Amino acid sequence: SQQGEEDPQALSIQEGENATMNCSYKTSINNLQWYRQNSGRGLVHLILIRSNEREKHSGRLRVTLDTSKKSSSLLITASRAADTASYFCATAKIQGAQKLVFGQGTRLTINP
Amino acid sequence: GAVVSQHPSRVICKSGTSVKIECRSLDFQATTMFWYRQFPKQSLMLMATSNEGSKATYEQGVEKDKFLINHASLTLSTLTVTSAHPEDSSFYICSARDVGGLNEKLFFGSGTQLSVL
Repeated sequence: SQQGEEDPQALSIQEGENATMNCSYKTSINNLQWYRQNSGRGLVHLILIRSNEREKHSGRLRVTLDTSKKSSSLLITASRAADTASYFCATAKIQGAQKLVFGQGTRLTINP
Repeated sequence: GAVVSQHPSRVICKSGTSVKIECRSLDFQATTMFWYRQFPKQSLMLMATSNEGSKATYEQGVEKDKFLINHASLTLSTLTVTSAHPEDSSFYICSARDVGGLNEKLFFGSGTQLSVL
């Protein structure tokens, strides 16, 4: 079953602006991951943040995690047209099968 | 990074035929692979977890006789859609986790677009 809910479902911004996407989840987690999917392609792992971490950076990506609110955000700074894609959060539970549960995704469009 | 190869990337078949999709980990061993289904503009829905040398674990509501999974080696898992019908048309994606990984990231194939006429 789907655990993550992402917001917004779609986001359209101008090149150079920052894009922020949010993800909420329901159960306790071991880690939360963000993935990117270009249209008609597989997913590419972007960044992983563990439950004992609050913030993580990777290039133009910044991820935050608030376990008390069961939410995470992905910030893409200085967006580029090539960042146009769908972005999914995925959570791994502390216990149970070692599989990821994906959120609904945010479709990001960067306008040149 | 690790590479997962998925073939074919696109297949069109007649209703009633069976279609096999392959998922290979090219430079690592994967005791576990995952098969997802994705409808347009929607999220990934986990269909089953493929375990090397044992039976796959199917998610609730997924017909195991309809979607046959075989994971005969540490680098290959196959999904066979048997007696395909138009409602089976979808984007199927596999993923794998390195043997040494624990709840770590997944490596995805490029997906297979199945169209059943």
